[in-house]
Amino acid sequence: AQTVTQSQPEMSVQEAETVTLSCTYDTSESDYYLFWYKQPPSRQMILVIRQEAYKQQNATENRFSVNFQKAAKSFSLKISDSQLGDAAMYFCAYRSANAGGTSYGKLTFGQGTILTVHP
Amino acid sequence: KAGVTQTPRYLIKTRGQQVTLSCSPISGHRSVSWYQQTPGQGLQFLFEYFSETQRNKGNFPGRFSGRQFSNSRSEMNVSTLELGDSALYLCASSPARGGGEQYFGPGTRLTVT
Repeated sequence: AQTVTQSQPEMSVQEAETVTLSCTYDTSESDYYLFWYKQPPSRQMILVIRQEAYKQQNATENRFSVNFQKAAKSFSLKISDSQLGDAAMYFCAYRSANAGGTSYGKLTFGQGTILTVHP
Repeated sequence: KAGVTQTPRYLIKTRGQQVTLSCSPISGHRSVSWYQQTPGQGLQFLFEYFSETQRNKGNFPGRFSGRQFSNSRSEMNVSTLELGDSALYLCASSPARGGGEQYFGPGTRLTVT
């Protein structure tokens, strides 16, 4: 079974600064997807960024970028130029890309990191 | 496109009752997954439906069930409610051909008293 671990229960950052959230995962599969989701106080889960395991290039979405280290099974999220609206709970998630597998269609989430942005 | 919608948004039930939650996916999405979110257990996968078939099921008791209709709308049912079933229930949809991402609805907050 796959597991996802976020070792930082809470992080804080000053507005306009950069912060990195950590995530490690465990899997025996070679083809999978990794995601970062954001859940603000409204509880609406919002997709921030996705990474396909077969792609070596790190994904980037505006101020959000990842550092994907497949061999180390590490997937960190970097938020640049932090804004007050970035304050939320951030979840790292794993999804198998094996359409015939028993875990296909299932997202496995980490425990989340609460990000506080100070003005 | 309209996003994933869930009804009702809030629900209060009494222990022993049953409840049905509804989810309408993004137009064109045929896969619907359900998750339970609690402070203690975090986000846990309940089940996933694709084209009216349950493809995958999480580790929940048989009191939790679901179904999907021909228009891809999905319902989940919890029978004989327990206090521990109080949670935020999230529904997510994904396209048949995509990058594996799932798009979430706003959730249904269920409180069991």
